[in-house]
Amino acid sequence: TQTVSQSDAHVTVFEGDSVELRCNYSYGGSIYLSWYIQHHGHGLQFLLKYYSGNPVVQGVNGFEAEFSKSDSSFHLRKASVHWSDSAVYFCAVSENYNQGKLIFGQGTKLSIKP
Amino acid sequence: GPKVLQIPSHQIIDMGQMVTLNCDPVSNHLYFYWYKQILGQQMEFLVNFYNGKVMEKSKLFKDQFSVERPDGSYFTLKIQPTALEDSAVYFCASSRTGISAETLYFGSGTRLTVL
Repeated sequence: TQTVSQSDAHVTVFEGDSVELRCNYSYGGSIYLSWYIQHHGHGLQFLLKYYSGNPVVQGVNGFEAEFSKSDSSFHLRKASVHWSDSAVYFCAVSENYNQGKLIFGQGTKLSIKP
Repeated sequence: GPKVLQIPSHQIIDMGQMVTLNCDPVSNHLYFYWYKQILGQQMEFLVNFYNGKVMEKSKLFKDQFSVERPDGSYFTLKIQPTALEDSAVYFCASSRTGISAETLYFGSGTRLTVL
């Protein structure tokens, strides 16, 4: 059974700080890894995705994530956060043959202090 | 960017009643999905739908659940009858194709409360 774990339920940083949101997965097959963001009262928005190639993938608004097979991780990073980055971030896994069936992590709420 | 609209945003009904959740997917998308999120828990896949048929459903997609998209109108999730454990936020999503690399576009969710 594939699982996705986001160990931090809540992360708080100051505006301008860097941040890393952690995601670990458990799955042995060929998968896609992705990150979605959910602002309060809105639907999920796609940030970025990894399947193969360069393990560091760039997303929108300065976000990037790095895949590590040895650590079974796909952590999300941003070098300098803005107050508008306050949201809940979801890591997700999908199998390469499974159409649209995403397995989500529990989500990490990112709060930005001024 | 492309938007998926969900109507209504909130729905309160009595246990045993029928409810229909409506989703207006992105206009040129062909694959449609429902996900369920109980408060404080992970979002979980319910069902995907293409060309008028359910492609795959999870164990959460009980017999009381059904989906359809008649004549290209709303993509709907119907629960009949509802149970207390159906209280959750239901998210609709759509994608242009069904390949795994395709990005899903999500709606803002419908919060269903069953009393």
